[in-house]
Amino acid sequence: GDSVTQMEGPVTLSEEAFLTINCTYTATGYPSLFWYVQYPGEGLQLLLKATKADDKGSNKGFEATYRKETTSFHLEKGSVQVSDSAVYFCALSDSSNTGKLIFGQGTTLQVKP
Amino acid sequence: DTEVTQTPKHLVMGMTNKKSLKCEQHMGHRAMYWYKQKAKKPPELMFVYSYEKLSINESVPSRFSPECPNSSLLNLHLHALQPEDSALYLCASSQTTGYSYNSPLHFGNGTRLTVT
Repeated sequence: GDSVTQMEGPVTLSEEAFLTINCTYTATGYPSLFWYVQYPGEGLQLLLKATKADDKGSNKGFEATYRKETTSFHLEKGSVQVSDSAVYFCALSDSSNTGKLIFGQGTTLQVKP
Repeated sequence: DTEVTQTPKHLVMGMTNKKSLKCEQHMGHRAMYWYKQKAKKPPELMFVYSYEKLSINESVPSRFSPECPNSSLLNLHLHALQPEDSALYLCASSQTTGYSYNSPLHFGNGTRLTVT
């Protein structure tokens, strides 16, 4: 079945450092890919999305490119802030149109001043 | 502020109690979801409603009973829960279940449930 694999955390960075969180997927068909972020005590918020190969999603300085050839959707940010500390989930929505999201295990990011 | 509102924020209940979780959205979305999230884990899908009809039940025990009274409201009725049911329960909505690329999920902030 479809699955998403994320790099294990926690990831600890200093403020203004470069961030990469790896995400790879296995899916039949043509999934859409998402990054969600969960701040402490809150629900999940959509960070960015990409719907087809070579699409680049971007929001709030974060970017991820849908790479079909490597089945990857890595999240990057050029300069992280303390306020970016959160749990990041990579997810895919398959082509069955059920609305079902398949999540990776989540990666905790801690940014220190 | 989230556009999906969940009440209550916190709930403590005994194993013999009956309680309900409520979720409301006013974005005109026609799909609504219940997810369960344990600490340090991703959300797990429980139920999906599409146009007020139950479309997915992920083999959830019958002590959890969903209800969708109208397109804006979603309830989760709880009865005879076990301590292992303690978790964060998240409600979400989307425009539809189909065309997922154009219809990402919007989550509420959840209800933190503790079963004693």
